[in-house]
Amino acid sequence: EDQVTQSPEALRLQEGESSSLNCSYTVSGLRGLFWYRQDPGKGPEFLFTLYSAGEEKEKERLKATLTKKESFLHITAPKPEDSATYLCAVGGGNTGTASKLTFGTGTRLQVTL
Amino acid sequence: ETGVTQTPRHLVMGMTNKKSLKCEQHLGHNAMYWYKQSAKKPLELMFVYNFKEQTENNSVPSRFSPECPNSSHLFLHLHTLQPEDSALYLCASSRKREGACYFGPGTRLTVL
Repeated sequence: EDQVTQSPEALRLQEGESSSLNCSYTVSGLRGLFWYRQDPGKGPEFLFTLYSAGEEKEKERLKATLTKKESFLHITAPKPEDSATYLCAVGGGNTGTASKLTFGTGTRLQVTL
Repeated sequence: ETGVTQTPRHLVMGMTNKKSLKCEQHLGHNAMYWYKQSAKKPLELMFVYNFKEQTENNSVPSRFSPECPNSSHLFLHLHTLQPEDSALYLCASSRKREGACYFGPGTRLTVL
């Protein structure tokens, strides 16, 4: 059974204080690891897809990396507007069919002035 | 982002009511999904439709009944729900063979 574990559950940073969020996973036949951002009362917003170990992707202050067992979301010099819950998910399933995502419970990030 | 829209955004219903949730995607995707998000729990996949055909039913109780008339529209028909069914119901879509799901804003459902 596919599993995703995110840590920490909650993280409070001061503006400009860089840190990393962790996503550990077990999946049979990884078809992608996904990071999402979710603001309160809204649906998850897609950030990144990583497909193979060693892959990295960046978007503004966010950088996602992937190994065979875990992924990190690095946040460099965060701003208050980066405050949100960050969700990690792994995709598994059969080639040619719609993807199925297994989600973690998320890391709730708060960035203060 | 208005690629995936959901209506209504909020719904309060009694246990004996029948209601429907609607989802529409404007992204040209072929797969659509219903997810349930409860407090302190991970998102749970409920149903998957690929080219209008249901390919996944994740052991969802029959009081939830999905309908996918075409690749752009998805419905979730609700009847005789329980209070524990109160949650945020999220619709999503993706291209075939591509894993990135794009989510709608969700419907906040409260069952009294």
